[in-house]
Amino acid sequence: DADVTQTPRNRITKTGKRIMLECSQTKGHDRMYWYRQDPGLGLQLIYYSFDVKDINKGEISDGYSVSRQAQAKFSLSLESAIPNQTALYFCATSKGTDTQYFGPGTRLTVL
Amino acid sequence: GENVEQHPSTLSVQEGDSAVIKCTYSDSASNYFPWYKQELGKGPQLIIDIRSNVGEKKDQRIAVTLNKTAKHFSLHITETQPEDSAVYFCAASRTGGSARQLTFGSGTQLTVLP
Repeated sequence: DADVTQTPRNRITKTGKRIMLECSQTKGHDRMYWYRQDPGLGLQLIYYSFDVKDINKGEISDGYSVSRQAQAKFSLSLESAIPNQTALYFCATSKGTDTQYFGPGTRLTVL
Repeated sequence: GENVEQHPSTLSVQEGDSAVIKCTYSDSASNYFPWYKQELGKGPQLIIDIRSNVGEKKDQRIAVTLNKTAKHFSLHITETQPEDSAVYFCAASRTGGSARQLTFGSGTQLTVLP
């Protein structure tokens, strides 16, 4: 969905490096989410945010942090990347508890 | 917490045939069940959803059925077309608190053979 954009789309980094993935939305939604997708598995929730002042951990938050800089922007950081964080990362947004709309994803490889 | 199991992991059908994907969930309090389609290189896109107050919902060639007693729900695609080829995910969640936290199944790779 073009209303939810993610940058970069692909990233290769080395173990121990800090990396930030960014998500922006023009849908005017209040809630934003970060998911991780591994091959053969579904999407696992990393963090979610109700609004700029509210951040919550998901089921796999260890090793990750987030920042909600504005209603439209939600970034995910890996402070010290490790190889098992190699995965597809998706940002999603929703208006309240309504349908979640996903971005195109970021493919992250940690060497 | 919620656990969602999805079967089969891969499914091949001939164009024009029907495809059925099944999911089971563990939390009897779950009351919202969306289905997402993920095409190669793209993010998941909602194709249909059902809430626990109904047993079936249709949208053109796509239908979803829900059996709350058995805690399972299914996606039915009729008259399949090559463009239906994609990975399909089921998910479950419940309202409660103020967030809808989706628990996803592991996905089904559907291939429609021309």
